[in-house]
Amino acid sequence: GIQVEQSPPDLILQEGANSTLRCNFSDSVNNLQWFHQNPWGQLINLFYIPSGTKQNGRLSATTVATERYSLLYISSSQTTDSGVYFCAVLRGYSGGGADGLTFGKGTHLIIQP
Amino acid sequence: DVKVTQSSRYLVKRTGEKVFLECVQDMDHENMFWYRQDPGLGLRLIYFSYDVKMKEKGDIPEGYSVSREKKERFSLILESASTNQTSMYLCASYSSGTGGRNYGYTFGSGTRLTVV
Repeated sequence: GIQVEQSPPDLILQEGANSTLRCNFSDSVNNLQWFHQNPWGQLINLFYIPSGTKQNGRLSATTVATERYSLLYISSSQTTDSGVYFCAVLRGYSGGGADGLTFGKGTHLIIQP
Repeated sequence: DVKVTQSSRYLVKRTGEKVFLECVQDMDHENMFWYRQDPGLGLRLIYFSYDVKMKEKGDIPEGYSVSREKKERFSLILESASTNQTSMYLCASYSSGTGGRNYGYTFGSGTRLTVV
């Protein structure tokens, strides 16, 4: 199946810093999503971004599908940005319809005040 | 906003018990999923369903079954709970939208199951 690798696995930054998280995937995809899991375990969908660039406030994401990677940018980090960031891609299509997502192992981000 | 509700936040069960984890979504999504999340292993897909009474195995279906009798409800069943099924269980749903494309998933807040 498709492989998803995220880097770095851990990142510790001071408040106000910028960061770039990377996601590499092993095959062509038509669905890539970024999630944030907060310290209470809730997974929040940040971006649906199979290609191109999107921005939402201090967060933006870029996917270069032909080169099989995606980047998540966080600018002016705040302590509330702490948590685990996951990249996930669609596994494929089953006989009856759409399939589930394959997740990377995540980047654990800690923003220190 | 889409809401995905999991019936229990924390659950403690005994080895050998039959366990039901319930998930309900309120936005008429056709696709629903069960994942488990373990330290070092990330999120792994157990089962999913793309329609009422339809189900597909994910990557780790052994020891689990599912039920989807109504569109809004997707249940995960541990037929005989074992200690290696202690985990965080996450339910998700989404709508395929037009042309079969997929959009963003919405996750429930999770059920932390401990089997003793």
